[in-house]
Amino acid sequence: EIVLTQSPGTLSLSPGERATLSCRASQSVSSSYLAWYQQKPGQAPRLLIYGASSRATGIPDRFSGSGSGTDFILTISRLEPEDFAVYYCQQYGGSPPSTFGGGTKVEIK
Amino acid sequence: EVQLVQSGAEVKKPGESLKISCKGSGYSFTSYWIGWVRQMPGKGLEWMGIIYPSDSDTRYSPSFQGQISISADKSISTAYLQWSSLKASDTAMYYCARLTVPTGYSRVWGQGTLVTVSS
Repeated sequence: EIVLTQSPGTLSLSPGERATLSCRASQSVSSSYLAWYQQKPGQAPRLLIYGASSRATGIPDRFSGSGSGTDFILTISRLEPEDFAVYYCQQYGGSPPSTFGGGTKVEIK
Repeated sequence: EVQLVQSGAEVKKPGESLKISCKGSGYSFTSYWIGWVRQMPGKGLEWMGIIYPSDSDTRYSPSFQGQISISADKSISTAYLQWSSLKASDTAMYYCARLTVPTGYSRVWGQGTLVTVSS
């Protein structure tokens, strides 16, 4: 089973700043099968990025994903008030089960 | 509109049984997998298991094997997550999610069902 480690655990930033979130895998993620989700309190997760860098439908272009192998990054270029939330990465495409990272909370500084 | 609608919140006592549901609409229910995800209070997301409603092919994550049962009734486009004997540690939010492949990502999620187990 691939273990995903997200860092930092909490990121304290102001609106308008750039957020850089990391997701590191314990072994190489095949074909960049890595997704990112956003979760706000009381809501289900929302898919942001799949295939490491492809934005899901309706996701603003301030969200971008990059990386390959074992190291992946989610970047939010300029934080909007609605972007303060918890973000999870997920690896998929291999043998079940796929796995989630532990999450990064982006909070208002 | 593609939707997954889950059953409402439940409050149960330890040892009781429970079955919660996830009804799909707006798409061919038998063409996609349904997965169940646990989120314990203040914690992250964990895959519990998945089912392909077309033939009821079911796979469980090792941590949940033997603890839960996943089923589906394709005639009413509904998947289920079931416990035979709840524990306090089963207190959590449970989400269903639609998957294209067994270990895919999920564009479509249910709204969640909160299960509280307390004596």
